Amino acid sequence: SAVISQKPSRDICQRGTSLTIQCQVDSQVTMMFWYRQQPGQSLTLIATANQGSEATYESGFVIDKFPISRPNLTFSTLTVSNMSPEDSSIYLCSVGDRGTTEAFFGQGTRLTVV
Amino acid sequence: DAKTTQPPSMDCAEGRAANLPCNHSTISGNEYVYWYRQIHSQGPQYIIHGLKNNETNEMASLIITEDRKSSTLILPHATLRDTAVYYCIVRGNTDKLIFGTGTRLQVFP
Repeated sequence: SAVISQKPSRDICQRGTSLTIQCQVDSQVTMMFWYRQQPGQSLTLIATANQGSEATYESGFVIDKFPISRPNLTFSTLTVSNMSPEDSSIYLCSVGDRGTTEAFFGQGTRLTVV
Repeated sequence: DAKTTQPPSMDCAEGRAANLPCNHSTISGNEYVYWYRQIHSQGPQYIIHGLKNNETNEMASLIITEDRKSSTLILPHATLRDTAVYYCIVRGNTDKLIFGTGTRLQVFP
């Protein structure tokens, strides 16, 4: 199984600022995903992080608000830009290999925007 | 990806079997049924998955109906540590996991 390290684990940020979340995996993986979990809600997929190309965003999410990088097969970042209190959520990184059985999740980044 | 329907909450006595149902009536032939759970303040944890046959591992059993329109996750001897939100997900070729609202399972002493 893959070991995922997310940083920071939590942060409190001022509105209007940006935060970059890092996801590091201990092995090469083909698939990396970013999710958001708002308080008391289920997980919502933000985007698929593609290595060497632009991320693929789900409906309702745009690159200007959530820019994503994936420079190699073990690392990705998600930036939450121009934050507002509505962005207060847990952001989770998930990884897996195409066609294999399971995806693994990091422990998440708990973001509070004040 | 097909959508799933689960009851919002269930209770189970410790030591008893917990049977969590899931409806996925629009599932297509190449889509798998996956189950994950999320214990409070943690990332989701994989439990089990299947295509058409029943599956069993050290955590749970998965029973899929013959028409594949529904399934049941069985925790044979629930413990307090099994208290969590359980998600039934239908996963297709895109490899994406699209989460529904899940079932909040409360195991009581």
